[in-house]
Amino acid sequence: GAVVSQHPSWVICKSGTSVKIECRSLDFQATTMFWYRQFPKQSLMLMATSNEGSKATYEQGVEKDKFLINHASLTLSTLTVTSAHPEDSSFYICSARYPGGGEQYFGPGTRLTVT
Amino acid sequence: QKEVEQNSGPLSVPEGAIASLNCTYSDRGSQSFFWYRQYSGKSPELIMSIYSNGDKEDGRFTAQLNKASQYVSLLIRDSQPSDSATYLCAVRDNSGYALNFGKGTSLLVTP
Repeated sequence: GAVVSQHPSWVICKSGTSVKIECRSLDFQATTMFWYRQFPKQSLMLMATSNEGSKATYEQGVEKDKFLINHASLTLSTLTVTSAHPEDSSFYICSARYPGGGEQYFGPGTRLTVT
Repeated sequence: QKEVEQNSGPLSVPEGAIASLNCTYSDRGSQSFFWYRQYSGKSPELIMSIYSNGDKEDGRFTAQLNKASQYVSLLIRDSQPSDSATYLCAVRDNSGYALNFGKGTSLLVTP
């Protein structure tokens, strides 16, 4: 149990375009999901907390108009990187909080390359 | 600022030995503690969670928590080369569901 999927697993896009990443909890309902970014050889950076049916909470320094988060159902959260630039190239990972506890289960991640 | 500190390593142990990974945290109100394993290029995988003082064992893994010392550790018995990865300590406080992650300790198990 506690499986989280992400789609796509990797994506290459041109500068200025937008990219949507989906995060799904497959066998449990997640009222809270999280989005992280990780650059090579660096630690996880929390970008935002996504709550089902309400607005996401962004960490300091993360542009909410650039990184659009939607958590429309208990099993799906999406992250849209708008007007992507090469500096947005990174490994984006979502996680979902298991109900009743504090455990977060991570998706496999999406590797974004902006050319 | 809520800090979670780990030695970055690398920690090198021979195959079959016990690997000991340590983590300290600054927020005394922290309630939940987790260890994740992350292989290079992959996302983190939950190994253990621990909520109360003492030891918790799961297979070859033992998590230890000492809230008075604000210290949590992970022991890996009979270490295998496949255990070579970065181990992330994560701490949750009472303010919400977000986890504060340490920077991770790189473990290398040599055959």
